[in-house]
Amino acid sequence: DIQMTQSPSSLSASVGDRVTITCRASQGISNYLAWFQQKPGKAPKSLIYAASSLQSGVPSKFSGSGSGTDFTLTISSLQPEDFATYYCQQYNSYPVTFGQGTRLEIK
Amino acid sequence: QVQLVQSGAEVKKPGASVKVSCKASGYTFTSYAMHWVRQAPGQRLEWMGWINAGNGNTKYSQKFQGRVTITRDTSASTAYMELSSLRSEDTAVYYCARELTIFGVVIVGAFDIWGQGTMVTVSS
Repeated sequence: DIQMTQSPSSLSASVGDRVTITCRASQGISNYLAWFQQKPGKAPKSLIYAASSLQSGVPSKFSGSGSGTDFTLTISSLQPEDFATYYCQQYNSYPVTFGQGTRLEIK
Repeated sequence: QVQLVQSGAEVKKPGASVKVSCKASGYTFTSYAMHWVRQAPGQRLEWMGWINAGNGNTKYSQKFQGRVTITRDTSASTAYMELSSLRSEDTAVYYCARELTIFGVVIVGAFDIWGQGTMVTVSS
């Protein structure tokens, strides 16, 4: 199985900040990578697929990049509703696998 | 609007089975695959398997092979996930998630819409 590792595991930031989260795959996955946002007690919300393509309705403050094994999610101009846990997921091969999550907290 | 509505929380004893439903609305059910993903307390998301809602073909994670069965009822636009031989480690929130399609192209293994989740507690 492909292992997905995110860094950092947690991150403190202020409203208005720009933050970047990193995801690394244990082997090359081309651009078959997605990002999700999850708030406590809620279902995940799909943000990005194909490493950099925004899902319908997702604001452009979210952006993704990368290919192969290293990927990033950047969130610009943080707002209170952006504080949540973010997960990456590879879908290059089955079983699809997820990162351990990055908890984004208000400083 | 497009949504997936799952059945309610379940409490089961070790060794029992649980069957979780996921009712789709707002789109043509048979045109999309449905995946099942679970999240144990404090753990990362874990993929369990998927079903082609059109032809009923399934694929399961090897971890759950033999214990999980995913089915669908096209007349009810509903997918089901049944997990047998439950143990305490199966305590988790179970989600259904629709496979992503962009302009008619299936993005295999990627998801767009998620159900609200079903808490399954396994306890003696």
